[in-house]
Amino acid sequence: QKEVEQNSGPLSVPEGAIASLNCTYSDRGSQSFFWYRQYSGKSPELIMSIYSNGDKEDGRFTAQLNKASQYVSLLIRDSQPSDSATYLCAVNTEGYALNFGKGTSLLVTP
Amino acid sequence: AAGVIQSPRHLIKEKRETATLKCYPIPRHDTVYWYQQGPGQDPQFLISFYEKMQSDKGSIPDRFSAQQFSDYHSELNMSSLELGDSALYFCASSLSGQPYEQYFGPGTRLTVT
Repeated sequence: QKEVEQNSGPLSVPEGAIASLNCTYSDRGSQSFFWYRQYSGKSPELIMSIYSNGDKEDGRFTAQLNKASQYVSLLIRDSQPSDSATYLCAVNTEGYALNFGKGTSLLVTP
Repeated sequence: AAGVIQSPRHLIKEKRETATLKCYPIPRHDTVYWYQQGPGQDPQFLISFYEKMQSDKGSIPDRFSAQQFSDYHSELNMSSLELGDSALYFCASSLSGQPYEQYFGPGTRLTVT
């Protein structure tokens, strides 16, 4: 079983709606959590980091962390067609490595 | 803002050949990471360096080696290439004080024929 789990999607939302992306992780010792956006054939782009329980907002993006439930989520408000991409959840448990989920494909339809 | 630089961007090699990938981190970043991403897969951590010393090691094959130089750039050396080594290879960098906020370079697409 993969340490970081995501629904592969595709998740389809209409333009202007809220997209909700979810991620669960298996290691309770995990301390650092990240969301990356990756367009096809391009590199992962860091969009959010979160380290403590609760919400963290940055523009149209909100990351939510619940360590008791081992759950991280990303909300994208006012979704735009340009948000269509694969969203990777990444977790750092120990050392320097990031463990990635397989990613959720998001499609925002005009 | 300056980003991570990787070269070459594309590389075609034959089986059993050797390849060298280069990575130049964001200025002031002293920690470098290497990841491999196969088609349809998530990035897999290979190895990392902090202040020119290996800081962590992941699923890097014994055929691969890497190092970080005094100017903080890093090179990934890959020998006895196999067809399965065909992938995107990403370098990422971070500030040592940041809890692993890693910024990725554009990647090198390696094709082994």
